[in-house]
Amino acid sequence: AQKITQTQPGMFVQEKEAVTLDCTYDTSDPSYGLFWYKQPSSGEMIFLIYQGSYDQQNATEGRYSLNFQKARKSANLVISASQLGDSAMYFCAGVRSNDYKLSFGAGTTVTVRA
Amino acid sequence: GAGVSQTPSNKVTEKGKYVELRCDPISGHTALYWYRQSLGQGPEFLIYFQGTGAADDSGLPNDRFFAVRPEGSVSTLKIQRTERGDSAVYLCASGQGNTGELFFGEGSRLTVL
Repeated sequence: AQKITQTQPGMFVQEKEAVTLDCTYDTSDPSYGLFWYKQPSSGEMIFLIYQGSYDQQNATEGRYSLNFQKARKSANLVISASQLGDSAMYFCAGVRSNDYKLSFGAGTTVTVRA
Repeated sequence: GAGVSQTPSNKVTEKGKYVELRCDPISGHTALYWYRQSLGQGPEFLIYFQGTGAADDSGLPNDRFFAVRPEGSVSTLKIQRTERGDSAVYLCASGQGNTGELFFGEGSRLTVL
């Protein structure tokens, strides 16, 4: 499985500002996928965004964008215009090609301040 | 609702007891996964079903853990002789095939006293 590293245990962000969550991965596979999930206090893991290793463009989904730097093996999540409802735990996850097991990082807690 | 449903949402049991955790996936989803999330950590893979069969159970920590999906829909995770270290949130997810977006339930929080 891939090793996914999230080095920020917790972050504070002011409402309406942007926040970047770091994620690095360790794989020798040429083909893989990277995901970001949001986990609010309810416990459900909510899919946010996906980036394939061969995708030429950085993935974007609404206020979420993925800053994919293949040479650095990083896939940072950028949340723009933060809202109070963005307060949650965020997980980066990876999957190798022809595999289905997601490997998750330890997560980053984001707290949005009014 | 139309999402993945897990029951019970909370289960407190004593060391040595047997527990069953149920997952009702989204209708039509052939792939079903169980993950375990310990406090302060990301989820860890336990087992993957494609249809009725366990395609990969390599994540089950030992033989006290077992899961079934007899009709290719609802799945039950069974834990025998529970230990305090089994305390965690057990997450179920379903999807179409073995790739693509997964839809997670809210988890079953197991506490072993």
